[in-house]
Amino acid sequence: SQQGEEDPQALSIQEGENATMNCSYKTSINNLQWYRQNSGRGLVHLILIRSNEREKHSGRLRVTLDTSKKSSSLLITASRAADTASYFCATDGSGGYQKVTFGIGTKLQVIP
Amino acid sequence: DTEVTQTPKHLVMGMTNKKSLKCEQHMGHRAMYWYKQKAKKPPELMFVYSYEKLSINESVPSRFSPECPNSSLLNLHLHALQPEDSALYLCASSQVDGNQPQHFGDGTRLSIL
Repeated sequence: SQQGEEDPQALSIQEGENATMNCSYKTSINNLQWYRQNSGRGLVHLILIRSNEREKHSGRLRVTLDTSKKSSSLLITASRAADTASYFCATDGSGGYQKVTFGIGTKLQVIP
Repeated sequence: DTEVTQTPKHLVMGMTNKKSLKCEQHMGHRAMYWYKQKAKKPPELMFVYSYEKLSINESVPSRFSPECPNSSLLNLHLHALQPEDSALYLCASSQVDGNQPQHFGDGTRLSIL
């Protein structure tokens, strides 16, 4: 299965701290994406990193990609209570760009 | 507010009922998706439409029947569902070109009695 695995599965931090989530996947990819899902809501796209990129920033988000290790990390700096959500990595693969497989997710709790 | 609208938000149906889930987007996206998400699990891809044609069917049981009547609408027809089909059903859309993010609706929470 292409499904990625996030690590840790649950993370609890204080507001203002940084949160790091990791994702590992199994086969070659064209790109890797990170999504956020608030409880009872749909997924919100955060950032996309292409297989030829190693690092990407967007606001308080920093994503790295290591294709040799088939892994990615998402760093949220200066976390806020509003960042409390589940975070999923998503990869495409041999099935094409549209055949996206989501990892098992990290549930992040930011305590005010 | 999301740009992908799904109706209804909640649906309770018996195993013999026929119902439909609806999804609408006006972002000009020509790829649309159905996902199934069980509690505490990631979304699982069910179907993909590209240019209103079914391009991916992830071996979904025939009691789920997708339909894409035009570039803005996506339906999922349900018939003779099982209790294990209870889940959150998410619709998404994207540009067809590669490396494009998907935009999700807030889903329909389906309960099968």
